[in-house]
Amino acid sequence: EPEVTQTPSHQVTQMGQEVILRCVPISNHLYFYWYRQILGQKVEFLVSFYNNEISEKSEIFDDQFSVERPDGSNFTLKIRSTKLEDSAMYFCASRRSSGRAITDTQYFGPGTRLTVL
Amino acid sequence: QKEVEQNSGPLSVPEGAIASLNCTYSDRGSQSFFWYRQYSGKSPELIMFIYSNGDKEDGRFTAQLNKASQYVSLLIRDSQPSDSATYLCAVNTNTNAGKSTFGDGTTLTVKP
Repeated sequence: EPEVTQTPSHQVTQMGQEVILRCVPISNHLYFYWYRQILGQKVEFLVSFYNNEISEKSEIFDDQFSVERPDGSNFTLKIRSTKLEDSAMYFCASRRSSGRAITDTQYFGPGTRLTVL
Repeated sequence: QKEVEQNSGPLSVPEGAIASLNCTYSDRGSQSFFWYRQYSGKSPELIMFIYSNGDKEDGRFTAQLNKASQYVSLLIRDSQPSDSATYLCAVNTNTNAGKSTFGDGTTLTVKP
């Protein structure tokens, strides 16, 4: 069964450093998402991406964050200058069709645990 | 008011009992509703989705939706210790972006 994959599974970085989290969505999916979950808190939407552009972003997704689909398979989240409060699990998700197809669902990857020291 | 609110938990039930998990949402434009199970340190795993008023059954799981009351629930029949996890309610509005808004989750413990 196709699945969303993410690398690395765990990333440790120093405050102020740049990190890139990588995701490979399911191959025939067109909509891509990043969510984060701070330890003990709820899953929060960061950004959605379609047709090589951001379709929606949350207040969390400020100028420190960017997303890119550099090739036909990868979808990346970059944090330019990490802060302690960026420590969280970051989940990538993909969906075959738009949110208007209400029977369609998102498939989540296993997540990347980001630790900022 | 939170966009998606779940009963706070933790919820503890004996093995074989019915576990009832509840969720309310604030956006009347919400179109589809999802229940995920999440084990500690793992990603959300989809259990069920529902988009029409009424009940939807899948094995031991039943999702119930009442759009007039802005309420969605998940019943787990014959609860097993392996059902012990945090259950997340997620809501999608009918937008092209299709993002999900999650509740805080309810932690369920099924005691043998």
